[in-house]
Amino acid sequence: GIQVEQSPPDLILQEGANSTLRCNFSDSVNNLQWFHQNPWGQLINLFYIPSGTKQNGRLSATTVATERYSLLYISSSQTTDSGVYFCAVPFWGYQKVTFGIGTKLQVIP
Amino acid sequence: DSGVTQTPKHLITATGQRVTLRCSPRSGDLSVYWYQQSLDQGLQFLIQYYNGEERAKGNILERFSAQQFPDLHSELNLSSLELGDSALYFCASSVKDRDRTDTQYFGPGTRLTVL
Repeated sequence: GIQVEQSPPDLILQEGANSTLRCNFSDSVNNLQWFHQNPWGQLINLFYIPSGTKQNGRLSATTVATERYSLLYISSSQTTDSGVYFCAVPFWGYQKVTFGIGTKLQVIP
Repeated sequence: DSGVTQTPKHLITATGQRVTLRCSPRSGDLSVYWYQQSLDQGLQFLIQYYNGEERAKGNILERFSAQQFPDLHSELNLSSLELGDSALYFCASSVKDRDRTDTQYFGPGTRLTVL
């Protein structure tokens, strides 16, 4: 099956800093999704992004499918951004979905 | 609040037992997805239903089964429970049938502890 690697595994940021999270995948996929799990366990769907770039407020994501990676950018981080960020592939159609192990982000005031 | 409800919030049971987890999707959502999150396996997609029909299967064990009822709520049945089944079980719902433009909304999860 597809292998998904996320980096870094852990990240500590000062509030206001920017960060880039990376997701590498081992095979061609037709879609990719980013999730955020907050410290209370709630999961939130951030982006479906098969290719190109999408932006939602301070968050944006870019997927370069031909090179098998996706990046999640968090700008001007806030303490509410803390939690674990997961990527998952593929996320469309009826193929087996594989999640990365996540990047744990802690934003400190 | 995502609008997706899951019951119970916590469940403690013994090995060998059977439990049922319930999920009510957001009003108007036709798809329901089940996920398992454990320390050992991380996040895993289990199964998806759309308007009562099974659409996609992930890493769901044969001891587990699910269904979606005419009122669109879904139940995940776990039987012959083992210690390794202890996990957080999430349900999510979406309007469409796993469309790339569709957003999944997650419930708060049911934490299952098998002793």
